Amino acid sequence: DGGITQSPKYLFRKEGQNVTLSCEQNLNHDAMYWYRQDPGQGLRLIYYSQIVNDFQKGDIAEGYSVSREKKESFPLTVTSAQKNPTAFYLCASTGWGDQPQHFGDGTRLSIL
Amino acid sequence: SQQGEEDPQALSIQEGENATMNCSYKTSINNLQWYRQNSGRGLVHLILIRSNEREKHSGRLRVTLDTSKKSSSLLITASRAADTASYFCATDAVQGAQKLVFGQGTRLTINP
Repeated sequence: DGGITQSPKYLFRKEGQNVTLSCEQNLNHDAMYWYRQDPGQGLRLIYYSQIVNDFQKGDIAEGYSVSREKKESFPLTVTSAQKNPTAFYLCASTGWGDQPQHFGDGTRLSIL
Repeated sequence: SQQGEEDPQALSIQEGENATMNCSYKTSINNLQWYRQNSGRGLVHLILIRSNEREKHSGRLRVTLDTSKKSSSLLITASRAADTASYFCATDAVQGAQKLVFGQGTRLTINP
């Protein structure tokens, strides 16, 4: 079955620690996205990538970093510079043209 | 930036009734999309409507778009308990950019 896999489902971060969230897709999509969702809110764009080895900042990129070394993978690192990382993180992908985005089931990040 | 604003923020109706949710946006768009999110899960695409379209149907869903008023509505007819979820509109402002801006969502509860 084609889809997007996010792991882990739950993640805990200690003070001063960097953590990496995984996102893998087997839909052969070129574009991939990372969103942050706070309780009762909509999605805010962190980073996106439209092609391998290239990515752009979204609206709330500070304290986050990404890489896009393979078409299938777009990991997100939440660095210690992100002072309020507790949120639900969603990864998505899409093909070219007017295509909808396909979402993973998210990673919930909390602070220990 | 949150372009879409949804109304109402929460809606509670009886099973079998129709549910209408509205979305307003601020800038010109290439297309507008509606997504559903069940609690703790990723988003699922429902309908995409292009800027040159006025109405679209998919099963029990009907979406309208009024570009002169910069607004869209989602109608769910004959609601079911399984329709209980949050519904988000998302706008794609630039053709080919595939960069969506999400509204804050409407929380829909269907009472049996």
